[in-house]
Amino acid sequence: DTEVTQTPKHLVMGMTNKKSLKCEQHMGHRAMYWYKQKAKKPPELMFVYSYEKLSINESVPSRFSPECPNSSLLNLHLHALQPEDSALYLCASSQEEYTRYEQYFGPGTRLTVT
Amino acid sequence: AQKITQTQPGMFVQEKEAVTLDCTYDTSDQSYGLFWYKQPSSGEMIFLIYQGSYDEQNATEGRYSLNFQKARKSANLVISASQLGDSAMYFCAMREGTRGGSYIPTFGRGTSLIVHP
Repeated sequence: DTEVTQTPKHLVMGMTNKKSLKCEQHMGHRAMYWYKQKAKKPPELMFVYSYEKLSINESVPSRFSPECPNSSLLNLHLHALQPEDSALYLCASSQEEYTRYEQYFGPGTRLTVT
Repeated sequence: AQKITQTQPGMFVQEKEAVTLDCTYDTSDQSYGLFWYKQPSSGEMIFLIYQGSYDEQNATEGRYSLNFQKARKSANLVISASQLGDSAMYFCAMREGTRGGSYIPTFGRGTSLIVHP
């Protein structure tokens, strides 16, 4: 099973709302990632968790707050977002955080901030 | 400077023909990994093929093969016998050891492939 699931598929939120994106994998992978992707652009790395510890934060604004409650779950908490944060948010996992490991991506959450 | 360069924003190919998508990379590391991903319009990124920097032979996975030329720092994807379902965005990516041991994946800008019947 090489599946990464993400919920919700679509999310519309106002700039004062608080919402969360959820990502789950049951492949025993120890590295998990959040990406933001605008239309017709490559994904931009936001956060990396390795063995449930935050390994990389690519200078993401604090209105995005990641959380890794256990090795299978990754959340992204959203608060006071701006319209320019509207994008496809992709979660991915890999066996480890090393060069030889491919990433498996979820279907993404399409976020619209109004 | 870009670490991954994909010079073809768009490519067209006739069904059943082969197509090559170009990718060049820039790294000073000896150990790195090169990957190709496919992203259909639905949005999900699908892993296609991997080539390690120490691998002597070109990687192959079904209809996908990776033409790895280390001295030229190129890792082109070859899709044989194109199918209509191959129409998608294709991203070349690299993982190298940087920043205190973290292996940051870097993606190219992508190539949009359209397969004509």
